[in-house]
Amino acid sequence: AQSVTQLGSHVSVSEGALVLLRCNYSSSVPPYLFWYVQYPNQGLQLLLKYTSAATLVKGINGFEAEFKKSETSFHLTKPSAHMSDAAEYFCAVSVNTGTASKLTFGTGTRLQVTL
Amino acid sequence: DTGVSQDPRHKITKRGQNVTFRCDPISEHNRLYWYRQTLGQGPEFLTYFQNEAQLEKSRLLSDRFSAERPKGSFSTLEIQRTEQGDSAMYLCASSRGGFTLETQYFGPGTRLLVL
Repeated sequence: AQSVTQLGSHVSVSEGALVLLRCNYSSSVPPYLFWYVQYPNQGLQLLLKYTSAATLVKGINGFEAEFKKSETSFHLTKPSAHMSDAAEYFCAVSVNTGTASKLTFGTGTRLQVTL
Repeated sequence: DTGVSQDPRHKITKRGQNVTFRCDPISEHNRLYWYRQTLGQGPEFLTYFQNEAQLEKSRLLSDRFSAERPKGSFSTLEIQRTEQGDSAMYLCASSRGGFTLETQYFGPGTRLLVL
């Protein structure tokens, strides 16, 4: 079975500061990894996904994540936070069994951006 | 591409009542997923369809829950005899299955409150 752990349920950064949201995964087979963002009272929007083609993945809104197999990590970063980045971020893992690719989510990290 | 839509967006009901939610996936997507998200948690997989066939159900899906996807288009999720513990956000996602890595696109969710 696969799982993800997100360290830190709340992260607060100043506008313009580096954003680092942590995600560690557990999977018995090569995983597919995703980061989704959720704004209040909305569904989830895909930020980026790891496809095994490249370890550094660039996503929307200036976010990127690096897959590190040795550390079983897929941390999300953004060089400079913007007020509009305030939201909840979810890391997810998927294993394609051929008939399904259900996602297993972490518990989420709420990002607060202060002036 | 109009995205995944869900209806209603909010539902308040009394314990013991039945409720039904609808999800309209992206038109060319053959896979449809239902997830449940409780406060402070990540979404949890409930069930999924490939075309009209329901291929997997989570243990979370008690016998009070039933889902359908007639003709492989929209899907409905019905909860009978609602309980307060059913209060949650119900999320629908769709994807084009059959590829090595599929991306699930989420709808805005239906927030259910059982009084």
